[in-house]
Amino acid sequence: LAKTTQPISMDSYEGQEVNITCSHNNIATNDYITWYQQFPSQGPRFIIQGYKTKVTNEVASLFIPADRKSSTLSLPRVSLSDTAVYYCLVGGQTGANNLFFGTGTRLTVIP
Amino acid sequence: DAGVTQSPTHLIKTRGQQVTLRCSPKSGHDTVSWYQQALGQGPQFIFQYYEEEERQRGNFPDRFSGHQYPNYSSELNVNALLLGDSALYLCASSLQGFSYEQYFGPGTRLTVT
Repeated sequence: LAKTTQPISMDSYEGQEVNITCSHNNIATNDYITWYQQFPSQGPRFIIQGYKTKVTNEVASLFIPADRKSSTLSLPRVSLSDTAVYYCLVGGQTGANNLFFGTGTRLTVIP
Repeated sequence: DAGVTQSPTHLIKTRGQQVTLRCSPKSGHDTVSWYQQALGQGPQFIFQYYEEEERQRGNFPDRFSGHQYPNYSSELNVNALLLGDSALYLCASSLQGFSYEQYFGPGTRLTVT
């Protein structure tokens, strides 16, 4: 599985847009990019997944440049409840038997 | 629609003892994975079960074993507990072939004293 690099922590004010970037220089052709969110004392929660360009759902957007060596998770107008750890994962969507979590990015939303 | 459930919520054991943790997957899911999460770290993959067989294993010793039942529920067993086994144990379910969209349970907090 391709290794990922994310900032350890980020702070943001309530109502702002937050962008968390993940580097994955060794991404393989058939790898997908997936983001998970984890609140304290809870299991991670799937947020979004993409392969290239842009993906958007009701929670977030995922931007992937043409070379796919990085990706950016965008959270619009964050609230205090978005304070959590965000993990970027890279791997094959089918046939992938496990998830490799790094240490993630701890996002703190400030009132 | 019930999500992933795990039991017990918390558990305290003594070094050398054995423990069994249980997991019921999300309705419709056939694959169960187990993860160990130490404080301040990301979850680490232990193993995955599909069709009642262990399909893939992470870098964990044989003291960690598991089982999957015909109804897709699963157990994680840890023998000869060490202090370092203290962690949050997470169960995740998915559909085989779509393992990157996994649904996690709330976890079992195991403390070994």
